[in-house]
Amino acid sequence: NAGVTQTPKFQVLKTGQSMTLQCAQDMNHNSMYWYRQDPGMGLRLIYYSASEGTTDKGEVPNGYNVSRLNKREFSLRLESAAPSQTSVYFCASSRAAGSGANVLTFGAGSRLTVL
Amino acid sequence: QKEVEQDPGPLSVPEGAIVSLNCTYSNSAFQYFMWYRQYSRKGPELLMYTYSSGNKEDGRFTAQVDKSSKYISLFIRDSQPSDSATYLCAMSDVGGATNKLIFGTGTLLAVQP
Repeated sequence: NAGVTQTPKFQVLKTGQSMTLQCAQDMNHNSMYWYRQDPGMGLRLIYYSASEGTTDKGEVPNGYNVSRLNKREFSLRLESAAPSQTSVYFCASSRAAGSGANVLTFGAGSRLTVL
Repeated sequence: QKEVEQDPGPLSVPEGAIVSLNCTYSNSAFQYFMWYRQYSRKGPELLMYTYSSGNKEDGRFTAQVDKSSKYISLFIRDSQPSDSATYLCAMSDVGGATNKLIFGTGTLLAVQP
């Protein structure tokens, strides 16, 4: 059981380049999330998809776009990368469909460096 | 002021010690409280969660919530070197997918053999 799989694990970009981070889950979860983790800032929500066909902005959406391709897959795109987007990106998923604790399962992370 | 404050550490303890990890928060509407453990270069994984106030125990781990003080704690008994990780608290005001968890910055714990 793979859980949440992210690709690539590492990426180096030059300022202005674009790239897409891929995420897939095999737990039949309804909701998926993209976070970034920076030293001293903790985990901050970029975008989320509460269910297939919907996406919403989180705390730090500027400079990013997302696509919920199907129930399993949720991608994060950087159209024109900036050094401020150097970070570790985590995809997460949860079953949550209604009330109750929103328990997230995280992927292993994608380390992105923008030069 | 951040909604959730967590001492970043690092916290270094000898094997077998009791560890206390804490978070304070400012939003009195928070009802769901979670602790995640994150090993170096890995994703966070859920340790335990509680709803509203009270204690919850799971093996060597105990989570406490004091809503009157807006303070939550995670206690680790008989700490082991394998407990060395970053511990993140997280909380939300309501459940469900549209609600967003607010994370603390994490406390780095090192358990020395």
